[in-house]
Amino acid sequence: GQQVMQIPQYQHVQEGEDFTTYCNSSTTLSNIQWYKQRPGGHPVFLIQLVKSGEVKKQKRLTFQFGEAKKNSSLHITATQTTDVGTYFCAGGGATNKLIFGTGTLLAVQP
Amino acid sequence: NAGVTQTPKFQVLKTGQSMTLQCAQDMNHEYMSWYRQDPGMGLRLIHYSVGAGITDQGEVPNGYNVSRSTTEDFPLRLLSAAPSQTSVYFCASSPTSGDAYEQYFGPGTRLTVT
Repeated sequence: GQQVMQIPQYQHVQEGEDFTTYCNSSTTLSNIQWYKQRPGGHPVFLIQLVKSGEVKKQKRLTFQFGEAKKNSSLHITATQTTDVGTYFCAGGGATNKLIFGTGTLLAVQP
Repeated sequence: NAGVTQTPKFQVLKTGQSMTLQCAQDMNHEYMSWYRQDPGMGLRLIHYSVGAGITDQGEVPNGYNVSRSTTEDFPLRLLSAAPSQTSVYFCASSPTSGDAYEQYFGPGTRLTVT
């Protein structure tokens, strides 16, 4: 079945440093979604990418969808303490099943 | 709108007990799903439903039952709880076609099985 892996599992940065998490699927995806979960909270939708090679930006966050539609990345420029949390990618394969990655926990030291 | 609501927030069960986790949404969403979250494992899909009267299995369905008698409600039943079912359970909904639209998550139920 479809599997979605994320690396790294954990990242600790100093405030102001950049951060990147990578997402890889075992199968070609129809779309990829990204979510953020604050400590003790629930996942909250950030963005969806659909097209091969697509790049979208939200302020300091840049999302990319790979040309083969099997991988994606999230890059945060100049992290802030408000960026703390776990970032999940989730892959859609046109099967009605949204499969989540293992997540990357981001810690930001002031 | 309350969005997606889940009850209870916390639950402790003994091995072998049964219980139902409740999930309701007031957004008239067709698609609803249940995930469990364990450390290092991410969110794993248990069961999902594309509409009232229709349910299907996700990645880890064993030990869980679901039904969807109304658009609003999607309860998750644990028939005979096991310690391996200790986890945080999230219910989610989306307008339609679950893997192509934004998922709205409930606040979660933290379940401990002793």
